[in-house]
Amino acid sequence: AQTVTQSQPEMSVQEAETVTLSCTYDTSENNYYLFWYKQPPSRQMILVIRQEAYKQQNATENRFSVNFQKAAKSFSLKISDSQLGDTAMYFCAFEAGNEKLTFGTGTRLTIIP
Amino acid sequence: EPEVTQTPSHQVTQMGQEVILRCVPISNHLYFYWYRQILGQKVEFLVSFYNNEISEKSEIFDDQFSVERPDGSNFTLKIRSTKLEDSAMYFCASSRDWTVNEQFFGPGTRLTVL
Repeated sequence: AQTVTQSQPEMSVQEAETVTLSCTYDTSENNYYLFWYKQPPSRQMILVIRQEAYKQQNATENRFSVNFQKAAKSFSLKISDSQLGDTAMYFCAFEAGNEKLTFGTGTRLTIIP
Repeated sequence: EPEVTQTPSHQVTQMGQEVILRCVPISNHLYFYWYRQILGQKVEFLVSFYNNEISEKSEIFDDQFSVERPDGSNFTLKIRSTKLEDSAMYFCASSRDWTVNEQFFGPGTRLTVL
């Protein structure tokens, strides 16, 4: 069974600064996908970024980028130039071809004006 | 941009009552999912559905739960006899196919069981 661990329950950072959210996972699969989802106070789940395990290049989406370390089973999210609208819960998720997403417990990120 | 929709946004029911949560997935998507999130906890997988049948379900998805795609557009989750512990946010998601492998979530239905 896959597990996803987010060891930072809460983080806060000043607006415009950079913040990194950590995620580790455990799996015996070789082909899988990793995701970061954002959940603002509205509680909608919004996909932020995805990474295919077979790709060595780290995914980037504008201010969001990941540091994917396959051997270490680590998948951190970096948010650059953080904005007030980035305040939300962030969930790391794993999917290994069995359709279901396995989520971590989340990190509550607060951007301070 | 196409999106997954869910109704109602909030449902309040008495313990023991049946509830049906409705979802309209993105129109060209083939895989459908239900997840739930108890307040303050992580999102948990309930069930996946493809080609008009359940492809996988979790331990949470017991005989009280059922899913259906009654008319080719709606995707429903039925809880036959609700319990207090069923109170949660229920998310529907859909994905196009295996190659894309990206699930789009609806806004959720908040279920409150009294």
